[in-house]
Amino acid sequence: SAVISQKPSRDICQRGTSLTIQCQVDSQVTMMFWYRQQPGQSLTLIATANQGSEATYESGFVIDKFPISRPNLTFSTLTVSNLSPEDSSIYLCSVLGTGGDEQYFGPGTRLTVT
Amino acid sequence: EDQVTQSPEALRLQEGESSSLNCSYTVSGLRGLFWYRQDPGKGPEFLFTLYSAGEEKEKERLKATLTKKESFLHITAPKPEDSATYLCAVRSGKNYGQNFVFGPGTRLSVLP
Repeated sequence: SAVISQKPSRDICQRGTSLTIQCQVDSQVTMMFWYRQQPGQSLTLIATANQGSEATYESGFVIDKFPISRPNLTFSTLTVSNLSPEDSSIYLCSVLGTGGDEQYFGPGTRLTVT
Repeated sequence: EDQVTQSPEALRLQEGESSSLNCSYTVSGLRGLFWYRQDPGKGPEFLFTLYSAGEEKEKERLKATLTKKESFLHITAPKPEDSATYLCAVRSGKNYGQNFVFGPGTRLSVLP
């Protein structure tokens, strides 16, 4: 299984600002995923980040709000732009395991927007 | 649209009291059904993958089973350390891609 770290672990941001979340994996992976987990809710896939190509966004998520970078096979960033209180959530990155379907998740970044 | 529901929403058990969690799904071409455990303040931890009806997987006190419409996570003689939220997810084959859908989870509390 992959070991995944995220920075920051938590942050409190003001409305209208942006937060960039970093995700680092201990091995090279083709695809990385970004999820949002709103308070008391389950996980919703935001986008898939492939190295060397544009991220693929799920319905309801747009690049202007959630720009993603994937500069190499072990690292990705998710930026949450123009923050509003509704963006207060836990943001998680994940990668696929060697079985090809199971996912391994980072510890999450807890964002609070005031 | 792919959907996953889980029941019950929350479950309290006494230590040693066995029970089952349910995951019901509708999906266009099941590519896999997954169980995860999530502890407070942490990311989900992978438990099992099931691919076809009739398949079973076991790990310590947990056993996952799959039918064409639902999956069960059986917990035998649970211990307090089994307390967590258990998430069910499916991956469909309708888009070659990353169509993962998670259920809302079951919050399990095991009392000593």
